[in-house]
Amino acid sequence: GIQVEQSPPDLILQEGANSTLRCNFSDSVNNLQWFHQNPWGQLINLFYIPSGTKQNGRLSATTVATERYSLLYISSSQTTDSGVYFCAADGGGSYIPTFGRGTSLIVHP
Amino acid sequence: NAGVMQNPRHLVRRRGQEARLRCSPMKGHSHVYWYRQLPEEGLKFMVYLQKENIIDESGMPKERFSAEFPKEGPSILRIQQVVRGDSAAYFCASSPPDGQVYEQYFGPGTRLTVT
Repeated sequence: GIQVEQSPPDLILQEGANSTLRCNFSDSVNNLQWFHQNPWGQLINLFYIPSGTKQNGRLSATTVATERYSLLYISSSQTTDSGVYFCAADGGGSYIPTFGRGTSLIVHP
Repeated sequence: NAGVMQNPRHLVRRRGQEARLRCSPMKGHSHVYWYRQLPEEGLKFMVYLQKENIIDESGMPKERFSAEFPKEGPSILRIQQVVRGDSAAYFCASSPPDGQVYEQYFGPGTRLTVT
C-alpha cells in the first residue's frame, strides 16, 4: 500500500505566525484528506484534496499529485489551531486510506 | 444533519470481557471504516464494510475481533476476551457511495479502557 510521511512531527508557534505542514506520499493517490484532531480527540475534516488548491478561511491546501506531496498552510495561527494535523491518502491500487503519523501543533498566546 | 455517531464514548472493561462498539454512519452513507488509535500515534485501518458485506478486513486481528454492518442498524465492532493491549480509541468513519470519491467523515470515537 501507499506510504504517507508528514513533517515536521512537532511545531510550536506564537499566535499570529504562519506555518506550512507537509505530507509526502509514495504512489499516485486516488483520495487525499487533511484532518485536524483537536485536544478533545475529535477528528475534523479540513480538506478533501487529491489534486489542486483549496482555501477555507485562514487555511489552505495544495496537492501536487505528480510530485507526490501535499501542503497545508495555516496563516495567522490562533490558540484554537492547536492539536494534531493528519494527512490520509489512498492509492497504489488500494482504496484503503493510510494515515501519516501527524504533525503536533502548539500555538502559544 | 447528524454526523457520524458512535457509542458509547467511553467504555471500561475488565480483562476477558467483551466490548461492543457501535457506529451509525451519516445519512445517505453506505461505507463504514473502523480505525484504532493508540496514544501518540496515527490512526490504523482495521476494517471496511458496506451494508451486509465486509469489503476489506486486512487491518483487523484474526482472533477476538469481528465487525458487521447489518442491513438495518448500526455497524458493530466486537472485541471478545479483551486484553490490556486493546485499550485505545476506536474511530468509525463513513463515506458516500459516489463512484471513486471516498471522502471520509469521522465520529467522535469510543475510548476503550481495559482494566
